[in-house]
Amino acid sequence: NAGVMQNPRHLVRRRGQEARLRCSPMKGHSHVYWYRQLPEEGLKFMVYLQKENIIDESGMPKERFSAEFPKEGPSILRIQQVVRGDSAAYFCASSPRGQAAEAFFGQGTRLTVV
Amino acid sequence: QQQVKQSPQSLIVQKGGISIINCAYENTAFDYFPWYQQFPGKGPALLIAIRPDVSEKKEGRFTISFNKSAKQFSLHIMDSQPGDSATYFCAASSKDTSYDKVIFGPGTSLSVIP
Repeated sequence: NAGVMQNPRHLVRRRGQEARLRCSPMKGHSHVYWYRQLPEEGLKFMVYLQKENIIDESGMPKERFSAEFPKEGPSILRIQQVVRGDSAAYFCASSPRGQAAEAFFGQGTRLTVV
Repeated sequence: QQQVKQSPQSLIVQKGGISIINCAYENTAFDYFPWYQQFPGKGPALLIAIRPDVSEKKEGRFTISFNKSAKQFSLHIMDSQPGDSATYFCAASSKDTSYDKVIFGPGTSLSVIP
């Protein structure tokens, strides 16, 4: 049973470009959570999705950021018109039920904006 | 009130020693307190967790001590080993409408030296 798969592992984007981060949850998991981690900081919650639904996006910036979890395929975190401050590690986690504290994490995507 | 405080920021311990990481919270609605371990380049992994109805939980060399009245909890790593070198995050969660949102502390970087 493969774990939570995130790709790409590393992503470099120029300011103003778009970044697409993908997350394939563990088999049987229909709940996905996205977090952002800055150096010397803990993980900050961004968004919680179930299949085809956004349950809680209270941690997501109102502009330029969006997330989806379609019926088929991975969850996508999309950042439009990236800025230097978006440089961070982005982690997704998945769980079979709405229990974020027991979710399994992927290895993260490290986004660098140059 | 949603914050989880964690100290120290970094910790160096001799092999065989005891590593102690402390956390504190304000929100009395928190009812689940997990600890995560993160190795460089990897995602966090759930290490051990406790609920406020017990004062201590032990799993192998890892022990959580919980003080409900002081709203504090700590992780003790006995007989620390170089392989324990990692970043440790305490966290807290509570049932919030339909799911348990997790709030992470800022992390402690532990180095165990031979």
